[in-house]
Amino acid sequence: DIQMTQSPSTLSASVGDRVSITCRANQSINIWLAWYQQTAGKAPKLLIYRASNLKSGVSSRFSGSGSGTEFTLTISGLQPDDFATYYCQQYNGPSPSTFGQGTKIEIK
Amino acid sequence: EVQLVESGGGLERPGRSLRLSCVGSGFIFDDYVMHWVRQAPGRGLEWVSSISWNGNNIVYANSVKGRFIVSRDNAKSSLFLQMNSLRPEDTALYYCAKGPSATLMAYLDSWGQGTLVTVSS
Repeated sequence: DIQMTQSPSTLSASVGDRVSITCRANQSINIWLAWYQQTAGKAPKLLIYRASNLKSGVSSRFSGSGSGTEFTLTISGLQPDDFATYYCQQYNGPSPSTFGQGTKIEIK
Repeated sequence: EVQLVESGGGLERPGRSLRLSCVGSGFIFDDYVMHWVRQAPGRGLEWVSSISWNGNNIVYANSVKGRFIVSRDNAKSSLFLQMNSLRPEDTALYYCAKGPSATLMAYLDSWGQGTLVTVSS
């Protein structure tokens, strides 16, 4: 299976900061990568698909980039609702899908 | 509005079985691939299984292959997960999720709220 590694595991930041999370695959997944946000006690929500496509209705403060094995989620101007855990997911079929281990953004 | 509602979770002993259900509404159920994802307490997300719109193509994570069986009943807009030979490490919140199309491996654009499965003696 394709392994996904996110870094950092935890990130401390302040409201208004610009932050970035990296997701690396152990083999090329082209652009078949999605990003999700999960707040405590809630189901994950899709933010970005196909590496850089913003889901309709998601704030433009979120952006994604990358291809192949290295991907980045950037949040510009952190808002209070953005303090959450973020996951990447690869879906490079026919391989089974896999998630990264998650990155928690905490208030500094 | 897409809605996914899971049910069937509970406390079960190791080695026993449990069947989860998920009912979808607000979309044409048989147009889409459906998925199960789980999350152990305090842990990250783990993809479990995906099933094509007609049930003919199914993929499982290695951790559940041979023990879990996914199926669907499009007439009832329902997705199922038959969980056999349960292990303590199967303890998790199980989410039902919808794919964006008929492509088997894809991102998950809508999620249910989950049903909790606890495996313990």
